[in-house]
Amino acid sequence: RKEVEQDPGPFNVPEGATVAFNCTYSNSASQSFFWYRQDCRKEPKLLMSVYSSGNEDGRFTAQLNRASQYISLLIRDSKLSDSATYLCVAPLADSWGKLQFGAGTQVVVTP
Amino acid sequence: NAGVMQNPRHLVRRRGQEARLRCSPMKGHSHVYWYRQLPEEGLKFMVYLQKENIIDESGMPKERFSAEFPKEGPSILRIQQVVRGDSAAYFCASSAEKRGSPLHFGNGTRLTVT
Repeated sequence: RKEVEQDPGPFNVPEGATVAFNCTYSNSASQSFFWYRQDCRKEPKLLMSVYSSGNEDGRFTAQLNRASQYISLLIRDSKLSDSATYLCVAPLADSWGKLQFGAGTQVVVTP
Repeated sequence: NAGVMQNPRHLVRRRGQEARLRCSPMKGHSHVYWYRQLPEEGLKFMVYLQKENIIDESGMPKERFSAEFPKEGPSILRIQQVVRGDSAAYFCASSAEKRGSPLHFGNGTRLTVT
């Protein structure tokens, strides 16, 4: 099992719709998680941090399910500018600073 | 407050040459990470450094690759005798001292080996 696993997509979403996708992680001791977005192979940009059960920032909601070891990202009222690859990030076991990136979930918002 | 600065943005090297990639972390950050992204692939961890120390280099190829983060100056990722397979985007990131802090990325260096 990969340490951080994501559905690669693509998720094709009509503008204005809601889309949600998950990320599973293997390190049960992980305490902090992150969602990043990456556009056209530019640098990843931090979208949200997830430290407890969840976090909400505007149209974006991240939730953490420790029992099942996954985090989710939900995007409401999708905008064309939300089209990107969303990267799930979790710390690796026995590693202070080494964060493992998932391969990413591609979201394509269509007019 | 300047973000993570990487240079050069683009670097072209012929096979066998050396490539040096530089990274200055965000102000106040003492942890530096290097990731590599090959075409059509995800980010792969290479090395994690603090000032003058390599903390984790488990993602670094055993040969030709080295990294340093000196007391003064930027972090350097050095690739000796480059091969075509080294062509990739190399991203540097930095984080604060606090455990669990997120990474902040630079714009990356696109290395092309001809």
